Amino acid sequence: DTGVSQDPRHKITKRGQNVTFRCDPISEHNRLYWYRQTLGQGPEFLTYFQNEAQLEKSRLLSDRFSAERPKGSFSTLEIQRTEQGDSAMYLCASSLTLETSEQFFGPGTRLTVL
Amino acid sequence: GENVEQHPSTLSVQEGDSAVIKCTYSDSASNYFPWYKQELGKRPQLIIDIRSNVGEKKDQRIAVTLNKTAKHFSLHITETQPEDSAVYFCAASIMGGGFKTIFGAGTRLFVKA
Repeated sequence: DTGVSQDPRHKITKRGQNVTFRCDPISEHNRLYWYRQTLGQGPEFLTYFQNEAQLEKSRLLSDRFSAERPKGSFSTLEIQRTEQGDSAMYLCASSLTLETSEQFFGPGTRLTVL
Repeated sequence: GENVEQHPSTLSVQEGDSAVIKCTYSDSASNYFPWYKQELGKRPQLIIDIRSNVGEKKDQRIAVTLNKTAKHFSLHITETQPEDSAVYFCAASIMGGGFKTIFGAGTRLFVKA
């Protein structure tokens, strides 16, 4: 499968625990995006990378959220001290650096915080 | 701040009829407007996009129009089919700005056979 992959697909955790998600983009894509999607809403931008550089982070993102893309390939999103309000689908997308470039989404990681 | 509003939230049409979904955006710097389709339990997929230097774009049964002055853009689906049933998201982003993309809340389209 040469598409965007995410791991795990589902995560159930208790409030206060830390969780980490992984995204593997399409191999030649140098841009990588993280979004959060709750039921009945569109994807909400969290952050994005060009290669290994994190170029923008949503102002809505609290300090409990951190993302890395150390070698410009896969990326991780960590949420510390999870809260029930963090329950959502976390989507990763990747694209080429072109003027108009389709973002290819992964299947998402569904997080449930109890 | 940046915002994209999308209407209606739900749309039900008879097979063969047309469907229109409308969006407005707040950031006048936005110059790239993709539309994504998300079927139940699946990931969003791009169906059509338009750049701000174009007023209209068509791809078979799907067309998108853009009014930069009013900051409005719309998706038109003609001759709807049951397989068009899905959630449709409009979005706005800035080419050259890393494509930080702001999505609308989505329109759930039901096409009745």
